[in-house]
Amino acid sequence: NAGVTQTPKFRVLKTGQSMTLLCAQDMNHEYMYWYRQDPGMGLRLIHYSVGEGTTAKGEVPDGYNVSRLKKQNFLLGLESAAPSQTSVYFCASGWDRDNSPLHFGNGTRLTVT
Amino acid sequence: GENVEQHPSTLSVQEGDSAVIKCTYSDSASNYFPWYKQELGKGPQLIIDIRSNVGEKKDQRIAVTLNKTAKHFSLHITETQPEDSAVYFCAASNLGNEKLTFGTGTRLTIIP
Repeated sequence: NAGVTQTPKFRVLKTGQSMTLLCAQDMNHEYMYWYRQDPGMGLRLIHYSVGEGTTAKGEVPDGYNVSRLKKQNFLLGLESAAPSQTSVYFCASGWDRDNSPLHFGNGTRLTVT
Repeated sequence: GENVEQHPSTLSVQEGDSAVIKCTYSDSASNYFPWYKQELGKGPQLIIDIRSNVGEKKDQRIAVTLNKTAKHFSLHITETQPEDSAVYFCAASNLGNEKLTFGTGTRLTIIP
């Protein structure tokens, strides 16, 4: 039972490049989330999904897109990376809207130069 | 929307002493308050949570207290051990709302 798996673990991009971060969960969770973590700012919600085929905006959605074509996968895309998107990205999943508990992956460290 | 403030941002405690981390929230409709622990290089992990129908919850050396009137909640760790060193996040949400709002984190260091 792997839980929540994020790939890649590290990535360096040049400004303007694109990439996709993959999140996979094997717990049959309905809810999935993408957060970014920056020093002194905690975890901020980018986008989330309440089920297969659904997505919704979080607190800081600009510059990101997401897709949930399969229940177990939640993809985060950066179409044109900017230095402000340098961060550690965490995916999380949960059973239902009660948010208890959220299971997090180990993160993707992204640097945009 | 909800706003969660967390203090202190860093905390150093002698091994065996107690540590307290405090959070305040803004939305009076919030009724679910989890605490997460993040170890170096890993994602956050839930350690304890409390719902608004109780004022205190304990799990071994960890306890959380909630004051709904004042809109603040706290994490208490007793008899601290080196493995308690980590970053701790508080969070709040309204059950039925899909989103958790996190505090900015507290880096706890246990001094041997």
